[in-house]
Amino acid sequence: EILMTQSPATLSMSPGERATLSCRASQSVSGNLAWYQQKPGQSPRLLIYGASARVTGTPARFSGRGSGTEFTLTITSLQSEDFAVYYCQQYNNRPPYTFGQGTKLEMK
Amino acid sequence: EVQLVQSGTEVKKPGESLNISCQASGYTFTRYWVGWVRQLPGRGLEWMGIIYPGDSDTKYSPSFQGRVTFSVDKSTATAYLHWSSLEASDSGIYYCARSDFYFDHWGQGTLVAVSS
Repeated sequence: EILMTQSPATLSMSPGERATLSCRASQSVSGNLAWYQQKPGQSPRLLIYGASARVTGTPARFSGRGSGTEFTLTITSLQSEDFAVYYCQQYNNRPPYTFGQGTKLEMK
Repeated sequence: EVQLVQSGTEVKKPGESLNISCQASGYTFTRYWVGWVRQLPGRGLEWMGIIYPGDSDTKYSPSFQGRVTFSVDKSTATAYLHWSSLEASDSGIYYCARSDFYFDHWGQGTLVAVSS
């Protein structure tokens, strides 16, 4: 089973700042990596798949990069609605398609 | 519009059985995997497994294998998650989601509370 590790666990930022969230896989997942956003009391929402492809409706300030074992999600110019928990998920090869433990992006 | 509508909150006792449901609409049900994800109170997302409605092929996470069962009813485009004997540690929110390996559409979640 591939272990996904996200860092940091919590990121305190101010609106307008640039946030960078990291996700590391215990073995290569190629580019088979998705990012989700979850707000309190809501279901997760897919933001990015294929490591860098934005889903329709994902604002352009969200960008994903990486391949193999190292991935990042960058949010430029944070908006108030961006403060949430973010999860990465690998879906390489065979299941289980594991999630990271999440990064909470909180307002400073 | 793709929608996944889940059944409502369940309050059960340990040892009881339970089925929760997830009704899909807005797409061809038999052409996409449907997955289940658990979220324990205050915790992260856990991938439980997926089922392919076309032929009921299933892939379970080792953490959930033998603890839960997935099934589908193609006639109603509904996926089910079944426990034969609940434990208190099963309490949490369970999401279904359409899977194209990643999960692109999610249900609203079903809260399961297990307590004696």
